[in-house]
Amino acid sequence: AQTVTQSQPEMSVQEAETVTLSCTYDTSESDYYLFWYKQPPSRQMILVIRQEAYKQQNATENRFSVNFQKAAKSFSLKISDSQLGDAAMYFCAYRSAGNQFYFGTGTSLTVIP
Amino acid sequence: DTAVSQTPKYLVTQMGNDKSIKCEQNLGHDTMYWYKQDSKKFLKIMFSYNNKELIINETVPNRFSPKSPDKAHLNLHINSLELGDSAVYFCASRPAKSTEAFFGQGTRLTVV
Repeated sequence: AQTVTQSQPEMSVQEAETVTLSCTYDTSESDYYLFWYKQPPSRQMILVIRQEAYKQQNATENRFSVNFQKAAKSFSLKISDSQLGDAAMYFCAYRSAGNQFYFGTGTSLTVIP
Repeated sequence: DTAVSQTPKYLVTQMGNDKSIKCEQNLGHDTMYWYKQDSKKFLKIMFSYNNKELIINETVPNRFSPKSPDKAHLNLHINSLELGDSAVYFCASRPAKSTEAFFGQGTRLTVV
């Protein structure tokens, strides 16, 4: 079974600074997808960014980018120019070839004004 | 226009009761899921349906029974509720040719 590990239960960052959230996963599959979801206090799960495993180029969405290291099975999220609205729980997720999603335990991000 | 809609958003009920949570998606997606998020925020899949057919049924007590009357709906019925069932339950859906899942806003179930 696939497992997703987020080793940082909590992180904090100064407003306008950059923060990196870590994620590793374990799989024997070669074709899969990786995601970062954001869960603010409203509880809604919001997709932040996605990465296809077959693509070597790291995905970027505005201030959000990933560092995808397939051999190391690592998928970190970098948030640049952090904003107060970025404060939330961030979940790393893996989508298997069988279309099932597996989530990490989450990292709670605090943005300090 | 909420793409994946769950009702109710909050549910407080006594132990032993039977309750249902409804989920509807208006996106024409083929696959729907139910996830449970516990007090530690851990998200775990419970069920997965594809075109009304059960695909995945993780280790979930028999008291939990999903029902998919059509492709747009996946309801979750829970019998004989227990204190440990208290959690946030998320419905999600995914179209056939897309990579990510779209989530509902969650239902916070509290069993007292």
